[in-house]
Amino acid sequence: QITLKESGPTLVKPTQTLTLTCTFSGFSLTTDKVGVGWIRQPPGKALEWLALIYWDDDRRYSPSLKTRLTITKDASKNQVVLAMTDVHPEDTATYYCAHTRAATGNFDSWGQGALVTVSS
Amino acid sequence: QSVLTQPPSVSGAPGQRVTISCTGGSSNIGALYDVHWYQHLPGTAPRVIIYSNTERPSGVPDRFSGSKSGTSASLAITGLQAEDEADYYCQSFDTIVSGVVFGGGTKLTVL
Repeated sequence: QITLKESGPTLVKPTQTLTLTCTFSGFSLTTDKVGVGWIRQPPGKALEWLALIYWDDDRRYSPSLKTRLTITKDASKNQVVLAMTDVHPEDTATYYCAHTRAATGNFDSWGQGALVTVSS
Repeated sequence: QSVLTQPPSVSGAPGQRVTISCTGGSSNIGALYDVHWYQHLPGTAPRVIIYSNTERPSGVPDRFSGSKSGTSASLAITGLQAEDEADYYCQSFDTIVSGVVFGGGTKLTVL
């Protein structure tokens, strides 16, 4: 059974860096075609894909946020970390991490989500 | 503005059939990338209900079905039930974005 859980601060001040950790079980990020993505949903708005990292360290970013995002993995710890620099109030959202297999491309297992508020 | 376009809302009475469209372009759906559909209930994580255009994960009722043609895809829900009231999102891959794209979401209201 695949499980994922997001962790990180619930409140971040504008201009600070937000660091979120996705801790997972039930799969390995050393397995062929496996990936972990980050998706967020601002209050009242749609899902927005942020970043994706694959087993071979291939990394993809949303073009609109690429300059502010860094995604890394620690396969030995079963963790994926997303860092977002220079946060704004508009970055207030529920942040999800999710498992994917490159062969199918869908996110078949999701974490419960972590609400992050950006406010001074 | 999302790369994939969905209607903001659809509605139907219990027992009816509704469809939700997802329109893309030549860099995503038209480039033969698969389309996936998610159901999102408030306060919960999204769950995939259709993957690879037409496939249904185990546990998803066969009232849900997907199709794809050209640069568009559709999700159909038959025998509408109150529990189907949720937000629905389509998702694919885009060569220009070089990554994942979601539709803007469709709110389904069961009348």
